[in-house]
Amino acid sequence: DTEVTQTPKHLVMGMTNKKSLKCEQHMGHRAMYWYKQKAKKPPELMFVYSYEKLSINESVPSRFSPECPNSSLLNLHLHALQPEDSALYLCASSQDPRNPSIRGYTFGSGTRLTVV
Amino acid sequence: KNEVEQSPQNLTAQEGEFITINCSYSVGISALHWLQQHPGGGIVSLFMLSSGKKKHGRLIATINIQEKHSSLHITASHPRDSAVYICAALSNFGNEKLTFGTGTRLTIIP
Repeated sequence: DTEVTQTPKHLVMGMTNKKSLKCEQHMGHRAMYWYKQKAKKPPELMFVYSYEKLSINESVPSRFSPECPNSSLLNLHLHALQPEDSALYLCASSQDPRNPSIRGYTFGSGTRLTVV
Repeated sequence: KNEVEQSPQNLTAQEGEFITINCSYSVGISALHWLQQHPGGGIVSLFMLSSGKKKHGRLIATINIQEKHSSLHITASHPRDSAVYICAALSNFGNEKLTFGTGTRLTIIP
């Protein structure tokens, strides 16, 4: 298995809803990432988990809450989002954050989120 | 000024043409990624380079560490190559942070 799988592929939610995005990889990668991408813009880093511990939080509002239950799974919990949070949310993983010689990213296909 | 700059921003070419996309960076890096994104889609990692040259099928990527410059070449371009190509620099500070270029939108006309 050489993929990062994201579910759902599309999500429409109201501003009062609570929803979660899921990301899964079975490549033994030990770093996992959430990115947010607006139309025609490059991805923006939100969170990095390294060995299941949160290592980077790019000053993301608390209405986005990441969770890494185990080395294969990464969730992004969403609550009280705003319409401007509508975007493509991308998950990625990389092999070993401590070993530069085998770094390499694998991206998921993303969840397209629309907040209404 | 962005830390990672790409040129051109948009490129339209006829099928079969040789394509070159350039990337310059000002940050210290441990590696540079070339990524491909189709409209509305996820991102595919094409190459990760820390030196020299890599080739995969019709795609070739080169990097010159001294000049802080990388190029992505596509030979015998095809309409299915139409996508956004993004270079992304991997920090050498050990935190796995990617700094993305703004992307090059490539359109190949049949």
